[in-house]
Amino acid sequence: AQKITQTQPGMFVQEKEAVTLDCTYDTSDQSYGLFWYKQPSSGEMIFLIYQGSYDEQNATEGRYSLNFQKARKSANLVISASQLGDSAMYFCAMRGYSGGSNYKLTFGKGTLLTVNP
Amino acid sequence: GAVVSQHPSWVICKSGTSVKIECRSLDFQATTMFWYRQFPKQSLMLMATSNEGSKATYEQGVEKDKFLINHASLTLSTLTVTSAHPEDSSFYICSARGGRYTGELFFGEGSRLTVL
Repeated sequence: AQKITQTQPGMFVQEKEAVTLDCTYDTSDQSYGLFWYKQPSSGEMIFLIYQGSYDEQNATEGRYSLNFQKARKSANLVISASQLGDSAMYFCAMRGYSGGSNYKLTFGKGTLLTVNP
Repeated sequence: GAVVSQHPSWVICKSGTSVKIECRSLDFQATTMFWYRQFPKQSLMLMATSNEGSKATYEQGVEKDKFLINHASLTLSTLTVTSAHPEDSSFYICSARGGRYTGELFFGEGSRLTVL
């Protein structure tokens, strides 16, 4: 079974500052993928960044970077230079690659980020 | 990037009626689509995996007779909520495999169902 834990129900950050959203995971799969999605109030799920379990380097996509610490089973999202438009719900998700878990995403409970002007 | 479209984006229906939600992959073929349900301020819960040309695979606890899933083509999956009741009111989101990463999932815009 896979489990994603996001311990921060809500986070506040000042505009232009960096913020880290925590995510820890648990899985018995040797190969897996970790995702971060943004969900604004409109409800759509916006893909932000992906990290494969065998990727040696941390993933980066523009202002988003994923701090992947495999031994600690953590995959924290770092947003640099926060913008007002970054205010949204953020979900960490995992996908296993074995048997029936292929391509199914398991989501954490989410972190509501509020960017203050 | 790959685009997944859901329709309708919101629907209000009377208790006892059935509602169909469509999920389309607009610029790629999706052999597998997933249907999620999200209650307010909660996470997404996978309901079922929809495979083109075969029966859907439902997650434990999801009533397959209540939530009918059809994946008749490589670009369309439908979710029908049969005999809807107020407790079925929720946000339903579909996703489809495609994109730059192997098996990357793209999500539709979601459909908000309100059953009166």
